[in-house]
Amino acid sequence: DAKTTQPNSMESNEEEPVHLPCNHSTISGTDYIHWYRQLPSQGPEYVIHGLTSNVNNRMASLAIAEDRKSSTLILHRATLRDAAVYYCILRDNFNKFYFGSGTKLNVKP
Amino acid sequence: DSGVTQTPKHLITATGQRVTLRCSPRSGDLSVYWYQQSLDQGLQFLIQYYNGEERAKGNILERFSAQQFPDLHSELNLSSLELGDSALYFCASSVGGGSNYGYTFGSGTRLTVV
Repeated sequence: DAKTTQPNSMESNEEEPVHLPCNHSTISGTDYIHWYRQLPSQGPEYVIHGLTSNVNNRMASLAIAEDRKSSTLILHRATLRDAAVYYCILRDNFNKFYFGSGTKLNVKP
Repeated sequence: DSGVTQTPKHLITATGQRVTLRCSPRSGDLSVYWYQQSLDQGLQFLIQYYNGEERAKGNILERFSAQQFPDLHSELNLSSLELGDSALYFCASSVGGGSNYGYTFGSGTRLTVV
């Protein structure tokens, strides 16, 4: 089963970019890389997903390594509202879900 | 409001009892997913339904069962409850059932077994 590994925690200053890494060395060719975040006392929230190419949306950017064995979620300007647990998830064609342990992001004012 | 509705928000029950958690997916979404989140286990995928049929199964106990009805709402039934079943149960929905769809989570049902 494909798994992901993430750092347990990271810290950032407000208004600065944040790069959240995720390793998925056993990823298969059909696995999509999804990122979700969970604020305290809330359900997880979709952030972004991709397959091979880098992706951008209003919330973040996703940079995927050429060999797809790692990816990085980029928050361009962290705000206090971005403090959350960020999950890197692999989804395969058979709809099995592999959650990382999540990275707790702390944003300092 | 994410559009995914879960009821009840809180539930306290005794060991050995049975409860039913309900989820209404976002309008237009055909796929429903159930997750369990406990303090020591993180987010665990339980089961997925797509348009009324079971699509994928994760770490769901035999004491637990789920179904998706013709109106696409879903119910998760938990029976012979144990203290260790105390957790947050999340429902999520997506338009399709494949891996290229992001999904929307509800705010969860907090189950406490005493």
